[in-house]
This record gives sequence, structure tokens and C-alpha cells, in this order.
Amino acid sequence: DSGVTQTPKHLITATGQRVTLRCSPRSGDLSVYWYQQSLDQGLQFLIQYYNGEERAKGNILERFSAQQFPDLHSELNLSSLELGDSALYFCASSPAGGSDWVAKNIQYFGAGTRLSVL
Amino acid sequence: SQKIEQNSEALNIQEGKTATLTCNYTNYSPAYLQWYRQDPGRGPVFLLLIRENEKEKRKERLKVTFDTTLKQSLFHITASQPADSATYLCALSPLREAGNNRKLIWGLGTSLAVNP
Repeated sequence: DSGVTQTPKHLITATGQRVTLRCSPRSGDLSVYWYQQSLDQGLQFLIQYYNGEERAKGNILERFSAQQFPDLHSELNLSSLELGDSALYFCASSPAGGSDWVAKNIQYFGAGTRLSVL
Repeated sequence: SQKIEQNSEALNIQEGKTATLTCNYTNYSPAYLQWYRQDPGRGPVFLLLIRENEKEKRKERLKVTFDTTLKQSLFHITASQPADSATYLCALSPLREAGNNRKLIWGLGTSLAVNP
């Protein structure tokens, strides 16, 4: 168990709908990352938050948005869903700064949310 | 263009042998590179991190090398076991001065099957 909790585990919805995926990072971790994984594209970085602020952005569509709350949990909102959005969505977290350079660059992944858009 | 490539073909080996997986990259100068293991339907799990000034890193039966001239990392599992069967992903940080930006670029992974 990585300590990162994602809900729900599975989500089935229809095209055009909006869903929210939730992530609770490991206790004490300030960074949260969102990834999309599909069979043909592998693990695609979407966005990173650090202590409530956006830190890095990847290939995140405009229909997608995320935020990190004061208690450090994060939500990924996906709207106007299309068939192609069906994928596994992972959240990961990593520790804050500190002297252990290796430790703060390790990402701990949740079990993922499997999204099916029908 | 920037690319990170891993063997796309699955690797099948006999139990007890050494598995060697390759990660090649182009047009990046990463400060470090990481290897993760992923089992079907689960999130990746961190295995090893190697920095650009390190040639080799070991952890139990795992060894990773990093050749910045060849732009290649090799990942070895010695005395392989059926439980090592999984997909192995390499990931690199494209930024040299990352600060709190720890974006990773990921390879597609190599599937390893260790046969008893």
C-alpha cells in the first residue's frame, strides 16, 4: 500500500458528462501529480500541484482541470467527456523538500481510477 | 524531437537468468532517471533512481546503469523469479533545475515474463 488513496476505483459514464476524481496524498507529502494511462499512449503527465499551487503542466486538455485543497487532497475534473477519455487515471504524491534529494523525487502512486466513457 | 524509448517487445526469460531492459532517450539532458515496476491494473511502484553523475546503482537483485554519452539506461534483474513478471517503466526529469517542479516523462514500458 503506497499510502495514496484514489476514489472512485471505477467510473462509468456517458459522453458529454462531467466527473470528478479524488486523490488523498501520503501523509506529509506536499506534491500531487495526475497522470492518464491508456494502452497506446502509456503514462501521460497531466499536471502537478505543490502545496496548493500549480507547479507543472503537461498534456492536459482544456476540458480537464485540477486543484489542490488546503488539506492537500486533490481533485481532477473532467468535463464534456469523449470516448477517447476512457483510461486509467493515476494520482501520485511525493515528499516536500528536505535534505534527502532522492526521497523527495520518488513518486508514490495510488491504485488509479478506471474511467469508462460509453 | 524529444523521445524516450523502451523495448516494445515483451521479454521472456527463464527463472534464474538475468533480465536486461533498455531505456534510450534523445534530445534530453536529464539530471536523473528512474525505474518503476507496474503490475496490471495497478499504479507504478518506484524501484531505483540514478543521477547523471552516477554510473551504476544497486538494490538487492536490481542494478541500473546510466550512460549519458550513449543516452541510455540499462536495468538488470539478476536471479530472476516468476514474481518479477511485470511491466517496467523508465522515467526521466526533463528539467535540470527542477525545484519543486518534478515533471517526469515516461517510456511506454517493457513487459517482462519470467518462466518457471
